[in-house]
Amino acid sequence: SQQGEEDPQALSIQEGENATMNCSYKTSINNLQWYRQNSGRGLVHLILIRSNEREKHSGRLRVTLDTSKKRSSLLITASRAADTASYFCATGTGANSKLTFGKGITLSVRP
Amino acid sequence: GAVVSQHPSRVICKSGTSVKIECRSLDFQATTMFWYRQFPKQSLMLMATSNEGSKATYEQGVEKDKFLINHASLTLSTLTVTSAHPEDSSFYICSARGDSNYGYTFGSGTRLTVV
Repeated sequence: SQQGEEDPQALSIQEGENATMNCSYKTSINNLQWYRQNSGRGLVHLILIRSNEREKHSGRLRVTLDTSKKRSSLLITASRAADTASYFCATGTGANSKLTFGKGITLSVRP
Repeated sequence: GAVVSQHPSRVICKSGTSVKIECRSLDFQATTMFWYRQFPKQSLMLMATSNEGSKATYEQGVEKDKFLINHASLTLSTLTVTSAHPEDSSFYICSARGDSNYGYTFGSGTRLTVV
C-alpha cells in the first residue's frame, strides 16, 4: 500500500526557477527519503531526513519535515533542464525497513 | 559509493516461459534486498523482501510461486518470473541498503515484455 502522497502530480517550470514538491504521509515514520527517477531508469537516492530532524540541505536540495503535519517538502533551487525527472518520496519505519513510496511528481524544467 | 547492478535491462519473452533477473551489490554486502514492480507513470510497489540465506518475505497479493526469489549470497539476489503472461509485463527494480545514512541503492531496472 502507498503511504506517501506527493503534490503536485506534475510541475513545469522555467530553468533557473525553484521547484517545490510536497509529500504527505499517514503513519509514524523513522525517516523520509526523496528519490529521483529518469524515464525508464532506476531510482537515485537524493536525500534522507530522520524523524527527529526538521530541515536538511544537500547542494541545491533542501528538505523539510513536519512530523506533526506528517508532511515533507523538497525544494530544488536554481533548477536546470537536467533536473527534469520524476521525484518520489518514500517513508521508512526503521534503519533496515522496507520503503513505501508515494505516487511521484513529474518535474519538467524548460530550458 | 554503493552500486547495484541489475541485469538484464530489457527482456522480451514468450508467454509461458520463465525469465530470471539478477541483482548484484558490487561494492558492498547486502543482507537485505528489495524487489519492486512499477507500471508506466506509476509508483513503485514492493513485491518482496529478500534476505540472504532465508526465504523471501512477500507482500500481500504477490504470488510467491510465480515470482521466485533467491538470495543465495550477500551480493546476489535473483527474481524469476515463472510461466510469464502478458500481464506480467512491467518494469522490475531491485534495491539494497547501502552502508550510509539509511539510503537505499537501486538497480537500473529491467523492462520485461511478455508476448
